[in-house]
Amino acid sequence: QKEVEQDPGPLSVPEGAIVSLNCTYSNSAFQYFMWYRQYSRKGPELLMYTYSSGNKEDGRFTAQVDKSSKYISLFIRDSQPSDSATYLCAMSVSNFGNEKLTFGTGTRLTIIP
Amino acid sequence: NAGVTQTPKFQVLKTGQSMTLQCAQDMNHNSMYWYRQDPGMGLRLIYYSASEGTTDKGEVPNGYNVSRLNKREFSLRLESAAPSQTSVYFCASSGDRIGSNQPQHFGDGTRLSIL
Repeated sequence: QKEVEQDPGPLSVPEGAIVSLNCTYSNSAFQYFMWYRQYSRKGPELLMYTYSSGNKEDGRFTAQVDKSSKYISLFIRDSQPSDSATYLCAMSVSNFGNEKLTFGTGTRLTIIP
Repeated sequence: NAGVTQTPKFQVLKTGQSMTLQCAQDMNHNSMYWYRQDPGMGLRLIYYSASEGTTDKGEVPNGYNVSRLNKREFSLRLESAAPSQTSVYFCASSGDRIGSNQPQHFGDGTRLSIL
């Protein structure tokens, strides 16, 4: 069993819809949770960075962490065609700048105009 | 501000050839990483360097060597390329200060095909 599980999709939704992306994990030591967005033929770029349980909002994006269920989510409101990308969840035990990240396999998202 | 720069962007090798992938960052980061990305496997850590002068194995180090040339540069070497090493390779860096919330920043990758 992988430490981090993520549905690979693909996921297609109409423009303006709310998108929900999810990851589950098995290592209870993970405390820091990230979502990266990766456009085709580009490197991952950090979208959201959260610590512990709870919600964090940044514009149209909300990251949610439920450590009791070992489950994290990324919600995209008012989705746009420019949101079409692969979304990777990532997690780490520490955050002192030299931590090793464990990634999900990524969910490929397409927003249909 | 260039961030993390990887060269080359594309490369085709024959089995048994050697090659070095280059990575440089201009963010004064202490830590640097090499990942490979394969379909259905996600990003897997090959080697990392927590600080200048140190390197450590990651999840999939076999067949690779690394050199942390200085604080800016971290290279990945394939001594005898194998078809199983066909992948997209990403370099990342993090940590410009002591403290928290220092995510990794990625380059745009090197697409490597081994025939």
